[in-house]
Amino acid sequence: AQSVTQLGSHVSVSEGALVLLRCNYSSSVPPYLFWYVQYPNQGLQLLLKYTSAATLVKGINGFEAEFKKSETSFHLTKPSAHMSDAAEYFCAVRPIYGGSQGNLIFGKGTKLSVKP
Amino acid sequence: EPEVTQTPSHQVTQMGQEVILRCVPISNHLYFYWYRQILGQKVEFLVSFYNNEISEKSEIFDDQFSVERPDGSNFTLKIRSTKLEDSAMYFCASSEDLILNEKLFFGSGTQLSVL
Repeated sequence: AQSVTQLGSHVSVSEGALVLLRCNYSSSVPPYLFWYVQYPNQGLQLLLKYTSAATLVKGINGFEAEFKKSETSFHLTKPSAHMSDAAEYFCAVRPIYGGSQGNLIFGKGTKLSVKP
Repeated sequence: EPEVTQTPSHQVTQMGQEVILRCVPISNHLYFYWYRQILGQKVEFLVSFYNNEISEKSEIFDDQFSVERPDGSNFTLKIRSTKLEDSAMYFCASSEDLILNEKLFFGSGTQLSVL
């Protein structure tokens, strides 16, 4: 069965520092991969997605993620954190084969705090 | 940008009572979903809905749950007889076309508390 593991339920960085949020998936066939962000009192918003095109994916707000098949990883990075990046980040997968469209499997989420 | 709206934002109910969670998906979207997140746990898929019928449901979505699109705009999740373990944040989502566009739009959620 597909699963997603996000290492670290809380990550704290200083403003201007590198953001690295980790995501590993388990799947025999590389799935479609997504990062969603949830700001306080808002719904989940799509940050970026990997759907078997370029392995380095650029998203909104300066975030990017790199798909590494050998490591079954899809870590999210941003070179310089901003206070407005404080939110909860969710990694998700959708199997290419089997399962319905839109049946996303989410990780537990990582709460990002940004210190001034 | 268009958005998915959910009402109410918070719902408190007594165990055994029926609740209806309401969602207004984006107007030209065709695919609708419910997800939930129990505090401290993963966001979990409940059900997907297309062309006025359930296209897929998870193990969580048992006979106590039902979904309906009663008119052209609303999409509801009903829990017939709530249990304590139904306490969670429930998210509605919609998508225009999953072949051309992988993007799901999520609402801000309804926090359901069962006492």
